Amino acid sequence: DIQLTQSPSSLSASVGDRVTITCRASQSISTYLNWYQHKPGKAPKLLIYAASSLQSGVPSRFSGSGSGTDFTLTISSLQPEDFATYYCQQSYRTPWTFGQGTKVEIK
Amino acid sequence: QVQVVQSGAEVKKPGASVKVSCRASGYTFTSYYIHWVRQAPGQGLEWMGGINPSDGSTIYAQNFQGRVTMTRDMSTSTVYMELSSLRSEDTAVFYCSRVTDPWGSHYYFDFWGQGTLVTVSS
Repeated sequence: DIQLTQSPSSLSASVGDRVTITCRASQSISTYLNWYQHKPGKAPKLLIYAASSLQSGVPSRFSGSGSGTDFTLTISSLQPEDFATYYCQQSYRTPWTFGQGTKVEIK
Repeated sequence: QVQVVQSGAEVKKPGASVKVSCRASGYTFTSYYIHWVRQAPGQGLEWMGGINPSDGSTIYAQNFQGRVTMTRDMSTSTVYMELSSLRSEDTAVFYCSRVTDPWGSHYYFDFWGQGTLVTVSS
């Protein structure tokens, strides 16, 4: 199975901060990497697909980059509604796997 | 608009089975896979498998092989996920999601159901 390791596992940030979350795959997955935002009691929300494509309706402050084994999700200016847990997910090979999540908390 | 709506919360005893439904609307049901993801309390997201509504073919994660069955009802655009031999560790929120692959293989979960809490307790 392809393992995805996110870092950090959690972070504290302030509104307006630039936030970067990384996701490292245990083997090359080209650009078969997606990012989701998950808030308690809600369904996960797709933010980025194919490593860098912004899902329709998602604010442009979210961006994704990377290929191969190293990927990044960046929030350019953190907003109050962005406090949540973020997951990366690979669709290169089944079983599809998720990273362990990165919880973004208010500083 | 695309909607994916799941059935309500369930409480089951160990050893029992649970069947969760996932009704899709707002798009052509047979054109997109539906997959299931589990989240145990305090844990991350775990892919369970999925179904192709067009022909009923399925793929299951090895962790659930032999215990999970996914089916569909084309007349109601509904997918079902049945998990058998429940144990306390199966207590979780189960999500279904439409899966899209715009370029033929870059699959992603784009429209999610609201989640169904399944509690396994004696």
